Amino acid sequence: AQSVTQLDSQVPVFEEAPVELRCNYSSSVSVYLFWYVQYPNQGLQLLLKYLSGSTLVKGINGFEAEFNKSQTSFHLRKPSVHISDTAEYFCAVRANQAGTALIFGKGTTLSVSS
Amino acid sequence: DTGVSQDPRHKITKRGQNVTFRCDPISEHNRLYWYRQTLGQGPEFLTYFQNEAQLEKSRLLSDRFSAERPKGSFSTLEIQRTEQGDSAMYLCASSARQGGTEAFFGQGTRLTVV
Repeated sequence: AQSVTQLDSQVPVFEEAPVELRCNYSSSVSVYLFWYVQYPNQGLQLLLKYLSGSTLVKGINGFEAEFNKSQTSFHLRKPSVHISDTAEYFCAVRANQAGTALIFGKGTTLSVSS
Repeated sequence: DTGVSQDPRHKITKRGQNVTFRCDPISEHNRLYWYRQTLGQGPEFLTYFQNEAQLEKSRLLSDRFSAERPKGSFSTLEIQRTEQGDSAMYLCASSARQGGTEAFFGQGTRLTVV
């Protein structure tokens, strides 16, 4: 079984500051890793995913994440945030077998203020 | 292709009533997932279909919950004798047969049981 721990429930930052949202996972099998964003009363939108290969993954809206197998982490970063990045961010993991379901963390609320 | 569609977007029902939600996945996707998301939590897996076959059910899916995907296209999730604890956002997602590493989410159905 897999599990995900998002280490920060809330992250307040000022506009144009860098941000890192932390995610650790556990699994006994190889996994795929994902970050999703959710705006109020909306579904989830994929930001980026790690399947294999380069451990640095770039996604939409200027976000990137680094897979660290030894530390079982997949932290999300953005060098300069905007007010519009204010949202809930979810880290998710699934086993790299066809049809397995995503397991989500509890989420991190990113609040960007001016 | 308009993505994953869920109907209704919002549902208010009295305790003890039955409710049914519908999900229309992306047309070429053969895998369909249902998740439940309560306030301040990440989505929790409920059940998974591959074509019309329900292949996995979470222990969260009590006897009052039933899901179907009769022709391998749209899916319905029914909750019988609703309880206040059923109040949540119900999310549907779908993924493709080939290379289906990514799940695409609908905007969800928000259920409020009063």
